[in-house]
Amino acid sequence: DQQVKQNSPSLSVQEGRISILNCDYTNSMFDYFLWYKKYPAEGPTFLISISSIKDKNEDGRFTVFLNKSAKHLSLHIVPSQPGDSAVYFCAASAPSNNDMRFGAGTRLTVKP
Amino acid sequence: EAGVAQSPRYKIIEKRQSVAFWCNPISGHATLYWYQQILGQGPKLLIQFQNNGVVDDSQLPKDRFSAERLKGVDSTLKIQPAKLEDSAVYLCASSPPMNEQFFGPGTRLTVL
Repeated sequence: DQQVKQNSPSLSVQEGRISILNCDYTNSMFDYFLWYKKYPAEGPTFLISISSIKDKNEDGRFTVFLNKSAKHLSLHIVPSQPGDSAVYFCAASAPSNNDMRFGAGTRLTVKP
Repeated sequence: EAGVAQSPRYKIIEKRQSVAFWCNPISGHATLYWYQQILGQGPKLLIQFQNNGVVDDSQLPKDRFSAERLKGVDSTLKIQPAKLEDSAVYLCASSPPMNEQFFGPGTRLTVL
């Protein structure tokens, strides 16, 4: 059951431009959403999160937007840097437990 | 602060053999998770421990997979016997209660 979906397996952007990674979910019980970043041969590392009581959370170059009615969230990276090239996973959890569901990931390539 | 440690990093076995993975979580983290990440997919939760008790093992193939966390710290995940479809990266993560998870580097298992 794919409760969290990342429909774009890959994204390529030019250095300095904006990267927008999208994520959709189906479970209306999800109330906490996270983005993880993964480099090859490493485990995912936490990037940014957002609670369902907010619609935006910003941390430096990274901003996550949440649209609860559309069950959609997105990660914006501005400006994109070559070091941002990685696989980005969207994850969501429900208040009943800490069981996170992950999307399949989007591979971001930032070209110099 | 030391991160989540996992060993081995890589393992190659033949089908029907047994294999075990080890995880040492971040000190003080009560919750420990084992995930299976098949190539091209996001991490899938196999089992979640709270201290040495199992919180969720609904997605663990119990006919061949087992996991334990005897003293509420380190954990082992075992596959016996392995199948070709078990080839994946096995990720261990830990977290304080209801917080983001910190992942180890993973163990890449190849079953031939």
